[in-house]
Amino acid sequence: DIQMTQSPSTLSASMGDRVTITCRASQDITTWLAWYQQKPGKAPNLLIQKASSLESGVPSRFSGSGSGTEFTLTISSLQPDDFATYYCQQYNSYPCTFGQGTKLEIK
Amino acid sequence: QVQLVQSGADVKKPGASVKVSCKASGYTFTTYGITWVRQAPGQGLEWMGWISAYSGSTNYAQKVQGRVTMTTDTSTSTAYMELRSLRSDDTAVYYCGRDHKAAAEVLDHWGQGTLVTVSS
Repeated sequence: DIQMTQSPSTLSASMGDRVTITCRASQDITTWLAWYQQKPGKAPNLLIQKASSLESGVPSRFSGSGSGTEFTLTISSLQPDDFATYYCQQYNSYPCTFGQGTKLEIK
Repeated sequence: QVQLVQSGADVKKPGASVKVSCKASGYTFTTYGITWVRQAPGQGLEWMGWISAYSGSTNYAQKVQGRVTMTTDTSTSTAYMELRSLRSDDTAVYYCGRDHKAAAEVLDHWGQGTLVTVSS
């Protein structure tokens, strides 16, 4: 199975900050990577697929980049609605594994 | 609009089985696959498996292989996930999700989740 490792596990930041979350794959997944946002008690919400393709309706302050084994999710200027947990998911091969999550907290 | 509506919360004893349903609306059911993901309390997301709503072909995670069966009923646009021989560590919220139109196994619409509690 492909292991997905996110860092950091927890990130404390302030409104307006630029933040970056990293996701590393244990083997090459080209750009078959998605990012989700999850708020407490809710289902995850898809933000980005194919490493950098922003979903319709997702604010442009979110961006994704990377290929191969290293990927990043960047939020350019944190808004109150962005404090949540973020997960990466590889879909290069079965099983389609998720990272362990990054909790973004208010500093 | 696309909606996935799951069955309600359930409590089961160890060794029992549970069957969670996921009723789809707002799109042609057989055009997209359905993925099942679970989340134990306070934990991350775990991919359980995928089913083609067109052909019924499946792919299961090794961790639940042999205990899980995913099926669809195209007449009612409903997907099902049955998990047998339940253990306490199967306690989780179970989600269904629909394939993204451009990327199978990426979930662009999710059900609301079904809490399954396994307890004696």
